[in-house]
Amino acid sequence: TQLLEQSPQFLSIQEGENLTVYCNSSSVFSSLQWYRQEPGEGPVLLVTVVTGGEVKKLKRLTFQFGDARKDSSLHITAAQPGDTGLYLCAVDRGSTLGRLYFGRGTQLTVWP
Amino acid sequence: DAGITQSPRHKVTETGTPVTLRCHQTENHRYMYWYRQDPGHGLRLIHYSYGVKDTDKGEVSDGYSVSRSKTEDFLLTLESATSSQTSVYFCAISGGANQPQHFGDGTRLSIL
Repeated sequence: TQLLEQSPQFLSIQEGENLTVYCNSSSVFSSLQWYRQEPGEGPVLLVTVVTGGEVKKLKRLTFQFGDARKDSSLHITAAQPGDTGLYLCAVDRGSTLGRLYFGRGTQLTVWP
Repeated sequence: DAGITQSPRHKVTETGTPVTLRCHQTENHRYMYWYRQDPGHGLRLIHYSYGVKDTDKGEVSDGYSVSRSKTEDFLLTLESATSSQTSVYFCAISGGANQPQHFGDGTRLSIL
């Protein structure tokens, strides 16, 4: 079983629609990170959530960390073609060495 | 953008040959990481380094070795490449274990 389960695996929507993607686990984490990866490039960090129940906003993207710190969601309002990419969640393995564990990602395609 | 250069960007080689991938950074960061990314698996940690000559194994280290003789360079070696090591390899750097990781643009390696 995967430590982090991301859903849906694929999402294809029209420009202007809203969407939510999820990152779930049965484990508790001290923090969780969200990355976006575009084709031919490495992942880029979007946000780190630390506190249970925390909500962070990055323009049209809203990130929430579950109250129990086991899950997280990413909501995009009025999606644009520039939002297209692979969205990955990641957690630290609990050491002091920055070893990240990644989910398998949600591939989002936004059509004009 | 963080100063990370991966080389080569693309490589095709044959089973049984040795392969070395290079990650070069200009940020003087202490932590460096090698990941592989495969369809359906997300990013998985191969090896990491927390200082010059200080390295350790990640979750998928079999068949790989690393070396870090100076701060700016982290080398990943496949001693005898196998087809299962066909993948996209990413290097990441971080200024501290709790600091964000910045990724290079990847090396696409095909082993025939």
